Amino acid sequence: DSGVTQTPKHLITATGQRVTLRCSPRSGDLSVYWYQQSLDQGLQFLIHYYNGEERAKGNILERFSAQQFPDLHSELNLSSLELGDSALYFCASSERGGAGDIQYFGAGTRLSVL
Amino acid sequence: QKEVEQDPGPLSVPEGAIVSLNCTYSNSAFQYFMWYRQYSRKGPELLMYTYSSGNKEDGRFTAQVDKSSKYISLFIRDSQPSDSATYLCAMNGWGANSKLTFGKGITLSVRP
Repeated sequence: DSGVTQTPKHLITATGQRVTLRCSPRSGDLSVYWYQQSLDQGLQFLIHYYNGEERAKGNILERFSAQQFPDLHSELNLSSLELGDSALYFCASSERGGAGDIQYFGAGTRLSVL
Repeated sequence: QKEVEQDPGPLSVPEGAIVSLNCTYSNSAFQYFMWYRQYSRKGPELLMYTYSSGNKEDGRFTAQVDKSSKYISLFIRDSQPSDSATYLCAMNGWGANSKLTFGKGITLSVRP
């Protein structure tokens, strides 16, 4: 068990809908990262938050947004969902957020858009 | 050209075989190199972590980094059926921010 908790484990929804994925980092970790894993693209970085502030953005769509709350948990919001958004979404956490930090991954949320 | 290229596989070997997994990369800012193992329907778990060039050994696993060639490898000795998983190389560096850039992963199957 990595100590990173993601809910829900599986989400099934329809095109055009909006969903929220939740992540609780390991105790003491200040950084949260979101990644998307699809069969054709592999694991792709979406966004990084450190202690409540956005640190870096990857290829995150404008329909997607995230935030990190004062208790350090994070939420990834996906709106106007399309079939192509079906993927595994992983959250990872690390102690500080520097390049040398080890990132610990949660078990992921499997999103199915029908 | 993708920043990180990994042999696509899949790879099937008999129990006890030596396995060699490889990745190449193009970004010279990468300084930290990792191998993650991902079992089906699970999150990636860190297997090996190396800073800069050199070798690191942990039990049956050896990670090698050659920064001059921009090439990293993971060797698994005496492979076991429990090693059957997807292996992902990942890397980052100060110039490339702390986000991890992953290879696409290779699925390894170790036959009893």
